Parts: sequence; C-alpha cells; structure tokens
Amino acid sequence: KQEVTQIPAALSVPEGENLVLNCSFTDSAIYNLQWFRQDPGKGLTSLLLIQSSQREQTSGRLNASLDKSSGRSTLYIAASQPGDSATYLCAAKTSGNTPLVFGKGTRLSVIA
Amino acid sequence: GAVVSQHPSRVICKSGTSVKIECRSLDFQATTMFWYRQFPKQSLMLMATSNEGSKATYEQGVEKDKFLINHASLTLSTLTVASAHPEDSSFYICSARGDRVGNEQFFGPGTRLTVL
Repeated sequence: KQEVTQIPAALSVPEGENLVLNCSFTDSAIYNLQWFRQDPGKGLTSLLLIQSSQREQTSGRLNASLDKSSGRSTLYIAASQPGDSATYLCAAKTSGNTPLVFGKGTRLSVIA
Repeated sequence: GAVVSQHPSRVICKSGTSVKIECRSLDFQATTMFWYRQFPKQSLMLMATSNEGSKATYEQGVEKDKFLINHASLTLSTLTVASAHPEDSSFYICSARGDRVGNEQFFGPGTRLTVL
C-alpha cells in the first residue's frame, strides 16, 4: 500500500529565500505525483503534476522533481514571498484508476 | 482545468441530524468520484471510491452505514452523514476523475461540517 511522507512538517523562512520541500513514497511504481497548496480552512489548489515518465515540471517560481528509483519528489520554491505561506501537500497515484494518496503536508511560513 | 463543485460549503447541525453533501463535476463526466476527510491540521484521508452506477468501495475503518455514498449520474455524487455526531465534525472534500481529461483528479472546494 502506497505511503507518502513529507519532511519537514513545518518550515519558517525569511522572505526572498529559496526553499525545498521533500516528499517520499514507498511504492516506486507510481502513475503520477501531484503537489497541492492548501490555505487554512480552504480546499486544494493543484500546483504541479508530474507524470511517471517525467522528471520535473515547472510553473513560475515552482519546480517539482520526481525520482522514482529513490521514491522521492521535491518542490523547489524560488524567491519565496509571504503569499507563499500555506500548507503544501504531496500526493501519489499508483495507477490510473487508484486514488491519490496524500502526505501529511508541510506548513510553510514566509516571514516578511 | 475541469471544475468540481461542492454544496454546501459549510453546515452546522445538531447531533443526530443527517447531512447530505453534493459533489458535481461541472464540465466533464466523472466516471469515478473519491471522498476524502480531513481533520484539523491533518492530511486528507480517503473514505471511499465510487463509480457511476455502482456501490461505493469504502476504506478500512469507514462505516458504510454511516457515510452513505450515491453516485447516480456521471456528474453527481452525494455523501450523506447519517445521524451525525460531534466526532464526525470535519472537512469533507470530494474529487472527480473523468476519462476525457485523463486520469487527473480534480478536487471540490470542500464542505466544513460542524456537529454540535
């Protein structure tokens, strides 16, 4: 059964710093991996989706990588801003028909 | 991207009341819908998977008689919390997957349930 772990659970950085959020998964035979953002009391915002055949995806200041052999994904945020403060969730899908399995998230605070 | 709506966004009810939450795919046909639950400061936990026209498949530990799921059409699934109690208070999020948009899951905005 797929398990997803995110480290660290919480992170506080000063504005302008580049940062990396980590995600690991136990079953390397994944179909795709997705990063989400969740603001307090709100739903999910999809940030990046990486298919099994891809190694990375980029959107603006965000870059997500996928290394299936090591069971790891990272989300890189460049030049962080206070507006980036939120919880970031990593989720993995084992096959096209199975549901996304979520990690517990990393709570990010960017201090102005 | 595809849009999924949920209604209501927030509900407060007395203990013993049954609550129905609707999940709709607005611009695609959802062959599969997933229901997740999220407790405060916790991650999303899958409750059940439903395919249109079939009975839902529940995750271990989720009571199917308490969390009734109906997926009667390709655009609508409902979750009914029967005889809700304070411990059922949570954030419920639905997700839909349709063949037309590949296997990506699209998420609704969530429903905050508070049982007094």
